[in-house]
Amino acid sequence: EIVLTQSPATLSLSPGERATLSCRASQSVSSYLAWYQQKPGQAPRLLIYDASNRATGIPARFSGSGSGTDFTLTISSLEPEDFAVYYCQQRSNWPPEVTFGPGTKVDIK
Amino acid sequence: EVQLVQSGAEVKKPGESLKISCKGSGYSFTSYWIGWVRQMPGKGLEWMGIIYPGDSDTRYSPSFQGQVTISADKSISTAYLQWSSLKASDTAMYYCARLGRLSLDYWGQGTLVTVSS
Repeated sequence: EIVLTQSPATLSLSPGERATLSCRASQSVSSYLAWYQQKPGQAPRLLIYDASNRATGIPARFSGSGSGTDFTLTISSLEPEDFAVYYCQQRSNWPPEVTFGPGTKVDIK
Repeated sequence: EVQLVQSGAEVKKPGESLKISCKGSGYSFTSYWIGWVRQMPGKGLEWMGIIYPGDSDTRYSPSFQGQVTISADKSISTAYLQWSSLKASDTAMYYCARLGRLSLDYWGQGTLVTVSS
């Protein structure tokens, strides 16, 4: 079973600052990693798939990188609406099992 | 437009049964896996299991095997999550989500289940 670890658990930043979130897998997941954003009272929203591809409608300030076991989600300049919890996720090809990381909370400093 | 619409909030007593639903529209319901995700109050996302409505192939996370039943009725484009005997620890928000190629690309709005005596 692949385990995902996210760091830091909490990131305290100001609007306009750059956010760098990390996700590490216990074994290689190739580029099969996604990132989600969840705001209070809302369902998660897909941001990034296949490690570096933005989902439909996602602003360009969100970018993903990495492959193998180490991945990064970068928010180039935080907007007020970006303060939320971010989860990484991987999926095995077969059987179709999904694993989530524990999440990183980005809050206002 | 792809949509997953879940059934409304439920308040139940321990020991009661429950079945919640997730209705898909705007795409071929039988061609994509539908997964269920639990989020306990103030906690992260937990993968429960998944079903392929085309043939009802169902897979469970080991943590949820035997605890819940996932099913689907492709004639009405609806997936289900059910419990035969609820516990207080089942209190959580439950989400359904469509599994795209390698990610959960569309999510339901969530169903809050509260189990309390």
